[in-house]
Amino acid sequence: RLQESGPGLVKPSETLSLWCSVSDFSLNSRFHDWGWIRQSPGEGLQWIGTIAYRGPTSENSYYNPSLRGRVTIDVDVSANRFSLKVTSVTAADAAVYYCGRQVNDYGPSGECGVDVWGQGIAVIVSS
Amino acid sequence: SYELTQPPSVSVALGQTASITCEGDRIRLRHVHWYHQKPGQAPVLVLYRDNHRPSHVPERFSGSSGGDTATLTIDVAQAGDEGDYFCQLWDSGPLMFGGGTKLTVL
Repeated sequence: RLQESGPGLVKPSETLSLWCSVSDFSLNSRFHDWGWIRQSPGEGLQWIGTIAYRGPTSENSYYNPSLRGRVTIDVDVSANRFSLKVTSVTAADAAVYYCGRQVNDYGPSGECGVDVWGQGIAVIVSS
Repeated sequence: SYELTQPPSVSVALGQTASITCEGDRIRLRHVHWYHQKPGQAPVLVLYRDNHRPSHVPERFSGSSGGDTATLTIDVAQAGDEGDYFCQLWDSGPLMFGGGTKLTVL
């Protein structure tokens, strides 16, 4: 129900662009945020960033500070998908990238983890 | 930033009980989630908000939290429980993950 897409090979210093297509539910949900998480070979999970979309006038995104402003996440509501861009990639950005649906109503139920994950897309950084 | 520490590996005999810990400063005041990841697959949420099970997760999985330690407990461990387990919490924006624990069922 979440499907990542994009190039599996990116050259150093270029921009990595990925899409996450969402089916069976709407991006415009008061109970869900949408995020990207990556996993380097043999390593753990690293949160990249999240976008909370609550309509055209309510959109907030926040990012892992360790990525030093290289990350942007946007939504394409008409296509029911969201994107990830990572600029100036290096070998350290090589990983499997997952998109995920985060449960969070910012209210009584609070944040309840990533309940739906894409299958992941492997990205290699090489010239 | 907030850090979560997990043991790199845990072993359990088939049919016995496995416990996987996740340590963090005053973690009892946070809500911890747990994921199971098999090789080559995406993680799967197995517990949320410390001790709540998604509908697809058997009752053998339970969680607790106290002091600086959250614990995932797996009763009657089965071969299919093998893999990596990650704890995670929400730090009012960022998602923080533990380093992961590899569970081996002997």
